[in-house]
Amino acid sequence: DAGITQSPRHKVTETGTPVTLRCHQTENHRYMYWYRQDPGHGLRLIHYSYGVKDTDKGEVSDGYSVSRSKTEDFLLTLESATSSQTSVYFCAMGQGSDTQYFGPGTRLTVL
Amino acid sequence: GQNIDQPTEMTATEGAIVQINCTYQTSGFNGLFWYQQHAGEAPTFLSYNVLDGLEEKGRFSSFLSRSKGYSYLLLKELQMKDSASYLCAVRDSYSGAGSYQLTFGKGTKLSVIP
Repeated sequence: DAGITQSPRHKVTETGTPVTLRCHQTENHRYMYWYRQDPGHGLRLIHYSYGVKDTDKGEVSDGYSVSRSKTEDFLLTLESATSSQTSVYFCAMGQGSDTQYFGPGTRLTVL
Repeated sequence: GQNIDQPTEMTATEGAIVQINCTYQTSGFNGLFWYQQHAGEAPTFLSYNVLDGLEEKGRFSSFLSRSKGYSYLLLKELQMKDSASYLCAVRDSYSGAGSYQLTFGKGTKLSVIP
């Protein structure tokens, strides 16, 4: 969806380093989500936000933290990256019960 | 929790019709979504069912039977550009703060051949 972007689109980092991924939306949607997608697992929810400064854990939240200081921005932080966090990360936005719309994804490789 | 099953791969011929099935076992249910995902791209919304029956949208239709925990996506007049993964996702019951979470199946990779 044109109203949601992610940065960076690709990142290679080393084990133990901190990494922050950014999601930015221009649709004023209340809800934002972070997923990871891995072969054989499909999309899995990491964290989500239901408003500024309001976040909650998803299915696979260990090793990840999030922050939302503005409606339009949702940050995902890996405090100390591990090889198991190599994945494609998708951000999504929605209005609660409505359809979720996905950003273009970030491909993260942890060496 | 949710358990969602769909075939891993399917192959169909250009111009044909293909049906992709999705079965689910859930602790709560508030709708079922189908998304299309081309390789290396983001999932894009295709269809949504919350009541039993068939929803038609052009060449794509989606069916839901809540009593059977079953849905299918029907693609007609297949085109080469329909080669993609198709993701079934179940929206669970309201989980607080106005939030509904989606649980995704692993996706069905469809290959359309000439």
